[in-house]
Amino acid sequence: KAGVTQTPRYLIKTRGQQVTLSCSPISGHRSVSWYQQTPGQGLQFLFEYFSETQRNKGNFPGRFSGRQFSNSRSEMNVSTLELGDSALYLCASTVTGAAGDTQYFGPGTRLTVL
Amino acid sequence: SQKIEQNSEALNIQEGKTATLTCNYTNYSPAYLQWYRQDPGRGPVFLLLIRENEKEKRKERLKVTFDTTLKQSLFHITASQPADSATYLCALDGGSGGYNKLIFGAGTRLAVHP
Repeated sequence: KAGVTQTPRYLIKTRGQQVTLSCSPISGHRSVSWYQQTPGQGLQFLFEYFSETQRNKGNFPGRFSGRQFSNSRSEMNVSTLELGDSALYLCASTVTGAAGDTQYFGPGTRLTVL
Repeated sequence: SQKIEQNSEALNIQEGKTATLTCNYTNYSPAYLQWYRQDPGRGPVFLLLIRENEKEKRKERLKVTFDTTLKQSLFHITASQPADSATYLCALDGGSGGYNKLIFGAGTRLAVHP
């Protein structure tokens, strides 16, 4: 099976712009979670989607939003970019099995805001 | 709020020795705890999951213990190799209703020297 894919891998934007990141989960996985990783804050949960519905949301401002399509692919959008939004954005798709929920992470999108 | 602590300092050990990493948590009673490995510029890779009713779990050279009284998990790598050098993250489930929401520690960087 192909792993989680994220596009683009690298992105450079300027303050005030908006950006859309894409994530394709592993085939058959219906849950997609998004995380932000920075050196100072580590990995922080953004939100999670399942069957096109947002089920859970982290403590991020409304500038951060997402959606999921019927094929389970997900996008996240950040509007009015700030310098502090520079980070590695990771998505993870989840399978629930006998051992519990295991998250499979993509390679991430490195966003730099200038 | 939930808090997870991992040794912020890097752990340096000699090849062949056992590496032991610590994860402590407060203000929380997770249903399970997971350990991930992350290499620079890549997404975390799932290693092991241990449930609250399990004391120990093993996978090849890896061993995880979970002490819910001490609110601590220990992660051991036996017969360590330079290829084990990476950052290791522990993560707790987000609780009831926290669908596929993981709360991560800051991670401990492990360096195995030949």
